Amino acid sequence: GEDVEQSLFLSVREGDSSVINCTYTDSSSTYLYWYKQEPGAGLQLLTYIFSNMDMKQDQRLTVLLNKKDKHLSLRIADTQTGDSAIYFCAEDWYGGSQGNLIFGKGTKLSVKP
Amino acid sequence: DAGVTQSPTHLIKTRGQQVTLRCSPKSGHDTVSWYQQALGQGPQFIFQYYEEEERQRGNFPDRFSGHQFPNYSSELNVNALLLGDSALYLCASSFLSGGNTGELFFGEGSRLTVL
Repeated sequence: GEDVEQSLFLSVREGDSSVINCTYTDSSSTYLYWYKQEPGAGLQLLTYIFSNMDMKQDQRLTVLLNKKDKHLSLRIADTQTGDSAIYFCAEDWYGGSQGNLIFGKGTKLSVKP
Repeated sequence: DAGVTQSPTHLIKTRGQQVTLRCSPKSGHDTVSWYQQALGQGPQFIFQYYEEEERQRGNFPDRFSGHQFPNYSSELNVNALLLGDSALYLCASSFLSGGNTGELFFGEGSRLTVL
């Protein structure tokens, strides 16, 4: 079925690394996404990875993709208080629809000073 | 370069009324997708518009309808509002004509409260 799973909460100390995990369902997905949502705001695109890649790095962000286990992770290095937000994992369910995404429920990241 | 813009940002309606939400895609984008995000949930896909036609639709009733204009902007209409329609409505834009680059940007949303 269509289901993207994420843990609901993560708490880290400022300066530590954060790792947010996600499992998805469709092995034929073309793109997998990470979005950030601050209170009362829209979704900010953080990064995305094509399904034939294993890893993508963008400044403090590292995305790892394990296609065999259908597992996606987002690592934030040197986590700051400004990183506190809800992080959503999403997959492009129809494999290239460019807009029809299945989202997880989101992981709330709390960063303690 | 303006990103995805949505209006209004907030609105309050009563049950049974109708509402229209508007979205302008990011410059250079030609496709608009609409999502509903209930409190504490992830966004759910409503439908997608490309070349002024509905291209894909999620599991939403016919009370939800839309339109895309020649300038690529889009409207979401909801008729016969129910209390359960209270949510943040998000618009996302992408460039489908250029092939699937994966780039998909969201606006700040329109928060609808139905009383």
